[in-house]
Amino acid sequence: DIVLTQSPGTLSLSPGERGTLSCRASQSVSARYLAWYQQKPGQAPRLLIYGASSRATGIPDRFSGSGSGTDFTLTIGRLEPEDSAVYYCQQYGNSPGITFGPGTKVDIK
Amino acid sequence: EVQLEQSGAEVKKPGESLKISCKGSGYSFINSWIAWVRQMPGKGLEWMGIIYPGDSDTTYSPPFQGQVTISADKSLNTAYLKWSSLKASDTAMYYCASSFGSGDSWYFDLWGRGTLVTVSS
Repeated sequence: DIVLTQSPGTLSLSPGERGTLSCRASQSVSARYLAWYQQKPGQAPRLLIYGASSRATGIPDRFSGSGSGTDFTLTIGRLEPEDSAVYYCQQYGNSPGITFGPGTKVDIK
Repeated sequence: EVQLEQSGAEVKKPGESLKISCKGSGYSFINSWIAWVRQMPGKGLEWMGIIYPGDSDTTYSPPFQGQVTISADKSLNTAYLKWSSLKASDTAMYYCASSFGSGDSWYFDLWGRGTLVTVSS
């Protein structure tokens, strides 16, 4: 079964800086079936990116996704205070069906 | 309004049974996949299983196979997650999520607010 690893565990940045989050898969993710979610405390997750690089409806263009195979990246350009959250990657193309990564916590100080 | 409405918080004792619900509205519920996702206190997201309400086609994540039952009633636009005998380790927030805009792809652009289940003697 496919396992997702995210790094770093925590990312501390200042407003206006650029954030780069990594998601690595234990085997190649089929057809770039990789999504990214944002979860703020006390809230449900929100879809940011699907298909590795397509932004979901209503997501600001400072969020971008890239990658293929086993290595994927979520980039947050020009961080804003409201971007403080935990970010999860999810694959949906390999057995057993769906896997989430452990998450990266982004702190905007 | 497109939304998923989940049932309210539950407090149960070990060994009790429980069924929580997730009702969709404002879109074609029966033609979208519904997943259940567990989030234990302070932890990450875990996929439990997924159902297609149109024909009740269901797939379970291996760790949850046999531990829970996922079902749907398409006449009520509602999906369910059921336990026959709860354990303290089932204490968690449970989210339902729909592939509302994704068709057959298993990514989720519509989420419920979650149902908090607390199991304690």
